Amino acid sequence: ILNVEQSPQSLHVQEGDSTNFTCSFPSSNFYALHWYRWETAKSPEALFVMTLNGDEKKKGRISATLNTKEGYSYLYIKGSQPEDSATYLCAPLGGQNFVFGPGTRLSVLP
Amino acid sequence: DADVTQTPRNRITKTGKRIMLECSQTKGHDRMYWYRQDPGLGLQLIYYSFDVKDINKGEISDGYSVSRQAQAKFSLSLESAIPNQTALYFCATSPGTPVGAGELFFGEGSRLTVL
Repeated sequence: ILNVEQSPQSLHVQEGDSTNFTCSFPSSNFYALHWYRWETAKSPEALFVMTLNGDEKKKGRISATLNTKEGYSYLYIKGSQPEDSATYLCAPLGGQNFVFGPGTRLSVLP
Repeated sequence: DADVTQTPRNRITKTGKRIMLECSQTKGHDRMYWYRQDPGLGLQLIYYSFDVKDINKGEISDGYSVSRQAQAKFSLSLESAIPNQTALYFCATSPGTPVGAGELFFGEGSRLTVL
């Protein structure tokens, strides 16, 4: 079973600030990595699906990179908005199933 | 209407009672999962099924059982609930292919409290 770590555990930023957080995992037996966004009282929803070393994905102000050789992925949010407040979960695929990290809880203050 | 539906959404029960959480999906996916979420921890996999005749244990299957009644239905049972099974439970589905690229689609969650 993969040991997946995310940092920081939580952070508060001001509206307009840019921020980033990290997901780290053992680099062997890697197939893919997903990022999910989980808003309070809702279900997690997929943000990015990444399968290749060096993969970079972007959706609006949010982007992610993947380094499978060193076992990490970064998620960036440019110009944070209050609606970005959520918990961000990463989930590497090792073996048959995804292993979820504990998440980074982001609060964007207006 | 949600593509992945869980019932009940909230349940309070007593220690020793049998509880069933049900999940149904309209996405036509073969793969279905049950996860448990506890504060400060990631989603932990309880059981998963890749088709109707396939049942597999996840990381934390002790104290749980499942039934895949049809492609669209996957239920989770707690035969004798205990307080440390108090958690938020999620059902999820996935198309499965291509490998690694099939994202998970989650239900709304079922909050279970065992007194």
